[in-house]
Amino acid sequence: DAGVTQSPTHLIKTRGQQVTLRCSPKSGHDTVSWYQQALGQGPQFIFQYYEEEERQRGNFPDRFSGHQFPNYSSELNVNALLLGDSALYLCASSVDPGGSNTEAFFGQGTRLTVV
Amino acid sequence: GDSVTQMEGPVTLSEEAFLTINCTYTATGYPSLFWYVQYPGEGLQLLLKATKADDKGSNKGFEATYRKETTSFHLEKGSVQVSDSAVYFCAPKAGRRALTFGSGTRLQVQP
Repeated sequence: DAGVTQSPTHLIKTRGQQVTLRCSPKSGHDTVSWYQQALGQGPQFIFQYYEEEERQRGNFPDRFSGHQFPNYSSELNVNALLLGDSALYLCASSVDPGGSNTEAFFGQGTRLTVV
Repeated sequence: GDSVTQMEGPVTLSEEAFLTINCTYTATGYPSLFWYVQYPGEGLQLLLKATKADDKGSNKGFEATYRKETTSFHLEKGSVQVSDSAVYFCAPKAGRRALTFGSGTRLQVQP
């Protein structure tokens, strides 16, 4: 089992550009959540996808959008990049979004640097 | 909304020392509680969890007990190793809501 895989591992973008990050969930998982982790901070919840729909959203602007495909993989898109968007973006997958005891498995993350 | 308060780091210990990392939380409903660990340059790994009051989660020598009366979930280990050096995150999860992370506590273990 490959676990949660994210791509790319690193990328550098210029202010104002758009970026797409990708995530493949752990085998058997149907729910994908995205988090932003700024340097020295804890992960902040962006949104969660289940059955190809956004089920929950954190306090992030509309520049952050996502998609989930029928095979449960997911994309995170960020438009009009700002310097403050530089962070480690983490994808987490789980089986059931409804249970409080559901374990989330994280990928290695994508390190985005905006210059 | 949900929130987590963790002791500020870095926590610096010598090998074989006793470790405590404090965590208190606020959450509506009846959350499950998790500890995740992040090694340098990596994503988060689940360390342990507890799903109801007085439950004790344990893994790799680490333990934490769900204390509903004090809304706490302190992480402990009797004898730390250099390989335990990492950042530790406490996180409650209530119902359908996503995990809520604190700012993390960096642990540095010296030989």
